[in-house]
Amino acid sequence: EVQLVESGGGLVQPGGSLRLSCAASGFTFSSYWMSWVRQAPGKGLEWVANIKQDGSDKYYVDSVKGRFTISRDNAKNSLYLQMNSLRAEDTAVFYCARVVGATYFDYWGQGALVTVSS
Amino acid sequence: EILLTQSPATLSLSPGERATLSCRASQSVSSYLAWYQQKPGQAPRLLIYDASNRATGIPARFSGSGSGTDFTLTISSLEPEDFAVYYCQQRSNWPPIFTFGPGTKVDIK
Repeated sequence: EVQLVESGGGLVQPGGSLRLSCAASGFTFSSYWMSWVRQAPGKGLEWVANIKQDGSDKYYVDSVKGRFTISRDNAKNSLYLQMNSLRAEDTAVFYCARVVGATYFDYWGQGALVTVSS
Repeated sequence: EILLTQSPATLSLSPGERATLSCRASQSVSSYLAWYQQKPGQAPRLLIYDASNRATGIPARFSGSGSGTDFTLTISSLEPEDFAVYYCQQRSNWPPIFTFGPGTKVDIK
């Protein structure tokens, strides 16, 4: 059974940093692109970043470029999102998602809430 | 950047009725479009990919159609568990960035 479990969410002050982790199991993690998708309270879905199978290619939505870094450790079956210079508008539930066919999100984690507030 | 619009924003229907949801892309995405269902407090679930293919375990009452810029998700007969928000999604050719539509809420009339 495919499982994605996020951790590392919490309350952080504006300008602060946070690192999210996603533990993957039930599939060959190193064979898939992986992504982070977020959802602000009461709002729609927004893709944040994705990373190629071997970590060599990474892409970001414009609003997080230069502040967020996606990475992975295939030996640990884990995906990460380092978030720096956090802003109030980054407050959201962050989902880890597996990318199938490099195009769609077929499995999602339960989400990690990140709240940026003083 | 390809933008997705969805209509209507809200669809109020009764169980047993047919639901027709629309997604329009600002430029052609060929058939590379997906639909997701999200219920309150839950992660999204992939329903349809490549415009018309049902994902694993998705009931036959869900169907997708369209290509190019205009797409439709149809729920043939609404079950109580189908009342949720539905999003469409596409991936740009290069760079591989993803966009979602704003969503359509299907609620109980």
